[in-house]
Amino acid sequence: AQSVTQPDARVTVSEGASLQLRCKYSYSGTPYLFWYVQYPRQGLQLLLKYYSGDPVVQGVNGFEAEFSKSNSSFHLRKASVHWSDSAVYFCVLSLGANSAGNKLTFGIGTRVLVRP
Amino acid sequence: DPKIIQKPKYLVAVTGSEKILICEQYLGHNAMYWYRQSAKKPLEFMFSYSYQKLMDNQTASSRFQPQSSKKNHLDLQITALKPDDSATYFCASSQVGSSYEQYFGPGTRLTVL
Repeated sequence: AQSVTQPDARVTVSEGASLQLRCKYSYSGTPYLFWYVQYPRQGLQLLLKYYSGDPVVQGVNGFEAEFSKSNSSFHLRKASVHWSDSAVYFCVLSLGANSAGNKLTFGIGTRVLVRP
Repeated sequence: DPKIIQKPKYLVAVTGSEKILICEQYLGHNAMYWYRQSAKKPLEFMFSYSYQKLMDNQTASSRFQPQSSKKNHLDLQITALKPDDSATYFCASSQVGSSYEQYFGPGTRLTVL
């Protein structure tokens, strides 16, 4: 069965610093990958997605992610964080057409705290 | 305007009772889903519906029953509530056939006493 691992439960960074959140997936085929963000007391918002092609994908608010099939990874990056980036970030996998129900599989999430 | 509406936002119930969580989407999507977010656990897929038909059910318990009265509605009925059912329940939707990302509602936070 497919799975997603986010090894860092919490990350604390200073405002203006760079951020990298790690994500590893387990699936024998080529998955569809997403990063979602959950701000306090809100629902989930899509940050970016990877289906195929260029392994580096751009998202909203200056986020980007890099897909690596050889490493089974989909790490998220931001060059300079703002206090408003404090949130929980989820790495998510879909099997797409191989999944009759289009089920999303979530990582446990990484809580990011940006210090002023 | 919110595109996916979930009602109520907060819900407190007693053990053994029954509740219905409401979800309506105004994105024109043809598929809808329910997910559960419990403390210390990843978000878990529960159900998916496409064109008002059940596509996948990953919920072991029959106490959880989705109900689709209209194509943009997918409610979740939970019977014989238990404290372990306490969680935030998210509704999502997508346009199957053109993309795989799903869009989420704000959630209903259920507490069972």
